[in-house]
Amino acid sequence: KQEVTQIPAALSVPEGENLVLNCSFTDSAIYNLQWFRQDPGKGLTSLLLIQSSQREQTSGRLNASLDKSSGRSTLYIAASQPGDSATYLCAVIQGGSEKLVFGKGMKLTVNP
Amino acid sequence: ETGVTQSPTHLIKTRGQQVTLRCSSQSGHNTVSWYQQALGQGPQFIFQYYREEENGRGNFPPRFSGLQFPNYSSELNVNALELDDSALYLCASSYLAEQFFGPGTRLTVL
Repeated sequence: KQEVTQIPAALSVPEGENLVLNCSFTDSAIYNLQWFRQDPGKGLTSLLLIQSSQREQTSGRLNASLDKSSGRSTLYIAASQPGDSATYLCAVIQGGSEKLVFGKGMKLTVNP
Repeated sequence: ETGVTQSPTHLIKTRGQQVTLRCSSQSGHNTVSWYQQALGQGPQFIFQYYREEENGRGNFPPRFSGLQFPNYSSELNVNALELDDSALYLCASSYLAEQFFGPGTRLTVL
């Protein structure tokens, strides 16, 4: 059974810091990995999708990497801003499955 | 903008009642999935529909059922509501392996 872990559960940083968010998964036979952002009480916004054949994806200040063999992904946020405050979730899809398996998320607070 | 919409935004029901939640995805998105997110947890997969047929189900009892319609809308029905059904319910449509989520329906069961 696939399990996705995000540690720590919460992080508070001053504005301007470069951040690394970690995600680990137990079964390396994944089809893709997706990072999401969730604001309080809201739905999920897709940030980056990394397919199993890819090693990383970039969008603006965000960069996500994937190491299937070690069961890890990292989301790098450059020059953090208060508007980046949200919960960040990673999720994987197994090969042959149609469902996303999520971690519990990491709550990020960026202080001005 | 994902184009996935859900209704209603909030809903309050009492234990034992039935509820129907609705989702509308973008034209061309043939796959829709439903997830339940309890407070402080990641979303849990309920089931998925592809071209109006159920295409995978998570660990949820049969009182959770769904429908998908030709116009890219779908429904999640929950019978005999229990207190633990209180959660944010999210639908997601898929396009080119990426899933796009709606804003969710907050269900409270009293």
